[in-house]
Amino acid sequence: DGGITQSPKYLFRKEGQNVTLSCEQNLNHDAMYWYRQDPGQGLRLIYYSQIVNDFQKGDIAEGYSVSREKKESFPLTVTSAQKNPTAFYLCASKPGGYSPLHFGNGTRLTVT
Amino acid sequence: EDQVTQSPEALRLQEGESSSLNCSYTVSGLRGLFWYRQDPGKGPEFLFTLYSAGEEKEKERLKATLTKKESFLHITAPKPEDSATYLCAVESGGSYIPTFGRGTSLIVHP
Repeated sequence: DGGITQSPKYLFRKEGQNVTLSCEQNLNHDAMYWYRQDPGQGLRLIYYSQIVNDFQKGDIAEGYSVSREKKESFPLTVTSAQKNPTAFYLCASKPGGYSPLHFGNGTRLTVT
Repeated sequence: EDQVTQSPEALRLQEGESSSLNCSYTVSGLRGLFWYRQDPGKGPEFLFTLYSAGEEKEKERLKATLTKKESFLHITAPKPEDSATYLCAVESGGSYIPTFGRGTSLIVHP
């Protein structure tokens, strides 16, 4: 079945450590997105990529980094510079144009 | 800058009690309005796309409508399994980046 796989589902890290969240899609979609979801805040865009080897910052990119070396993969690194990293992270993709997003089931990151 | 406001923030209904969720938007050239359903701890699931004022889409107990300023998600005779957060998003001309509202949390009591 085609879809987006995010792993792990839960992730725990100590403050000061970098952590990488995985996102893989087998939908052959060109565009991929990372969102952060906090209670009462809705979805906030971290980074997006519309083509391999190219990506742009979203509204809250500070403290995060991404890469897009393959069409299928768009990993997100949460660095120690991110001041409040504990959140629910969602990866999404779409084929391009004005079309709906397909979401993974998220990674819940807890940093203590 | 695109803006999306959803209301109410939370809605409690009795099973069978029909109601509507609102999504008001401000965009420069709407290219698409999207409704999603999100269950706790899961990613959002796509429901509908609306492209132009006057358009309507239906799926089971859900019906989405669109005007030039807002969209409604009508829920007819809801069941407890309709309990979820409903998200609205818009895309405008020149951008393929959706702007999301904060969502409406719906609880349907049996």
